[in-house]
Amino acid sequence: DSGVTQTPKHLITATGQRVTLRCSPRSGDLSVYWYQQSLDQGLQFLIHYYNGEERAKGNILERFSAQQFPDLHSELNLSSLELGDSALYFCASTEGPSGNTIYFGEGSWLTVV
Amino acid sequence: AQSVSQHNHHVILSEAASLELGCNYSYGGTVNLFWYVQYPGQHLQLLLKYFSGDPLVKGIKGFEAEFIKSKFSFNLRKPSVQWSDTAEYFCAVMDAGSARQLTFGSGTQLTVLP
Repeated sequence: DSGVTQTPKHLITATGQRVTLRCSPRSGDLSVYWYQQSLDQGLQFLIHYYNGEERAKGNILERFSAQQFPDLHSELNLSSLELGDSALYFCASTEGPSGNTIYFGEGSWLTVV
Repeated sequence: AQSVSQHNHHVILSEAASLELGCNYSYGGTVNLFWYVQYPGQHLQLLLKYFSGDPLVKGIKGFEAEFIKSKFSFNLRKPSVQWSDTAEYFCAVMDAGSARQLTFGSGTQLTVLP
């Protein structure tokens, strides 16, 4: 158990819908990362937050957004869902803005039908 | 931008065989290097990491990796694999600067036959 908690574990939704994935980082960790893992794209970095502020953006679509709240949990919002958004979404955390080791949660499986 | 190449997409070995998985990266600056393992249906787990110092690092479950700076490589090794090592293995690079973005390779699926 990495200490990073993600909900829901599985989610099935229809195209055009909007979903929110939630992540609670390890106790004391201020940095949260979001990654998308799909068969065709592999593991893609989406976005990084540190202590509520966005630090870096990767291959995140405009239809996707994220935020980190004062209690440090983070949410990834996916809207206008398409079939191609079906993937495993991982959250990860580390201790500081420049933490060296990133620990991953178990992921949220999103299936868009 | 940094990138990571894992040349072996699928490796099949018999139990007790030795393992070496290749990883090459491209980045001009100082990097931190990682190997993660993903067992079927599970999350990514850290196997080992290299930040500085001895280029031969030992991780969990008998795995080790060697950082060769001149070759931009960080190959993963295990002298004798077990059936339970069947998993997908990801090499990852993090720039040691302020961005701290972790970039993954495409992964190597290891299948160990009993």
